[in-house]
Amino acid sequence: GQQVMQIPQYQHVQEGEDFTTYCNSSTTLSNIQWYKQRPGGHPVFLIQLVKSGEVKKQKRLTFQFGEAKKNSSLHITATQTTDVGTYFCAGLDSNYQLIWGAGTKLIIKP
Amino acid sequence: SAVISQKPSRDICQRGTSLTIQCQVDSQVTMMFWYRQQPGQSLTLIATANQGSEATYESGFVIDKFPISRPNLTFSTLTVSNMSPEDSSIYLCSVEFGGPTGELFFGEGSRLTVL
Repeated sequence: GQQVMQIPQYQHVQEGEDFTTYCNSSTTLSNIQWYKQRPGGHPVFLIQLVKSGEVKKQKRLTFQFGEAKKNSSLHITATQTTDVGTYFCAGLDSNYQLIWGAGTKLIIKP
Repeated sequence: SAVISQKPSRDICQRGTSLTIQCQVDSQVTMMFWYRQQPGQSLTLIATANQGSEATYESGFVIDKFPISRPNLTFSTLTVSNMSPEDSSIYLCSVEFGGPTGELFFGEGSRLTVL
């Protein structure tokens, strides 16, 4: 079946460093959504990207959707402790099925 | 947005028993979704529940194991039947807004441990 590959699985950063997670699909996606799940919490919607090459920003978070609508990235500038959690991408395929990435866990080094 | 209440929030159950999880939404929604999230893993869709019709199950999930009810536009239940330790997981209900491809809102989840 269709898959959305998300890397890395984990990323350890010092507070203040940047963080990036990437998602790649083998097929063209109708849109891609990003969610954040805090430890012990439930997924919370962050953003949806629809257009080819789209870039959206939310404060320190920058989301990109590739030109071919097959890949996406989330970049966090100058991470803070409040950014800790797992970030999931979820791509909508041509059958209107939402395909979830495996998630990237952001860990802030003490 | 939506406020989604799920209960129980957690439970410890014995092998062979069944547990029903309830999901209440503060507004009417057409489609409700039930997901499973095993520890440290991503989300797996169990089924989609539309009011007034049978739920649609994803590959690997069957109605006998995970019966779903959807009696109205604000409420749904998921039952995990004849539980085994492999069913230990977080079960999440979710709803979507903004059309069939819109963002999902999730309940807080039901953490199930089967001994």
